[in-house]
Amino acid sequence: QKEVEQNSGPLSVPEGAIASLNCTYSDRVSQSFFWYRQYSGKSPELIMSIYSNGDKEDGRFTAQLNKASQYVSLLIRDSQPSDSATYLCAVPPEGGGADGLTFGKGTHLIIQP
Amino acid sequence: DTGVSQDPRHKITKRGQNVTFRCDPISEHNRLYWYRQTLGQGPEFLTYFQNEAQLEKSRLLSDRFSAERPKGSFSTLEIQRTEQGDSAMYLCASSPWTEAFFGQGTRLTVV
Repeated sequence: QKEVEQNSGPLSVPEGAIASLNCTYSDRVSQSFFWYRQYSGKSPELIMSIYSNGDKEDGRFTAQLNKASQYVSLLIRDSQPSDSATYLCAVPPEGGGADGLTFGKGTHLIIQP
Repeated sequence: DTGVSQDPRHKITKRGQNVTFRCDPISEHNRLYWYRQTLGQGPEFLTYFQNEAQLEKSRLLSDRFSAERPKGSFSTLEIQRTEQGDSAMYLCASSPWTEAFFGQGTRLTVV
């Protein structure tokens, strides 16, 4: 059974600072990883995907992947109050097909103005 | 709008009634997933379609749940004899391969 672990938080970060969100996963053969943002009462929105070791940057967001440590993180630079949300880490099934994504429980991020 | 569309957005039903939800995926995506999400949890996989074929069902999907995707286009999820434990957000997602794009969800409340 694939497992994805996240600290549920809340994680409180001052506006303008860097928010760091972490995720560990159990399946060593996982090849791709996704970060979703979910506002309260809304559905998850895909914000980052990462497929290889190292960093991937997209605007204020940077995803970091370390397959040897089975660890993926999301950094949000210059945090804004609008970044306050729950961030979900997700791992796809082997072979990229059935079973759907396995999600962590999410980290609740609060950006303090 | 070419995103994933779900209907209805909210549904309140009495225990024991049947409900049906609809999902219209992104047209070029042949993969469609249903998930369920309860408060404080991540989405949990329910079932998967590739085109019109239902290829996988989670053990969470009891025999009161049935899903269809006729002609590989829209999909429906029906829950028969609803129970209070069925109260949740039901999410549909479509996918070109591994990443999933979610609809707005249907929030079901069973009273």
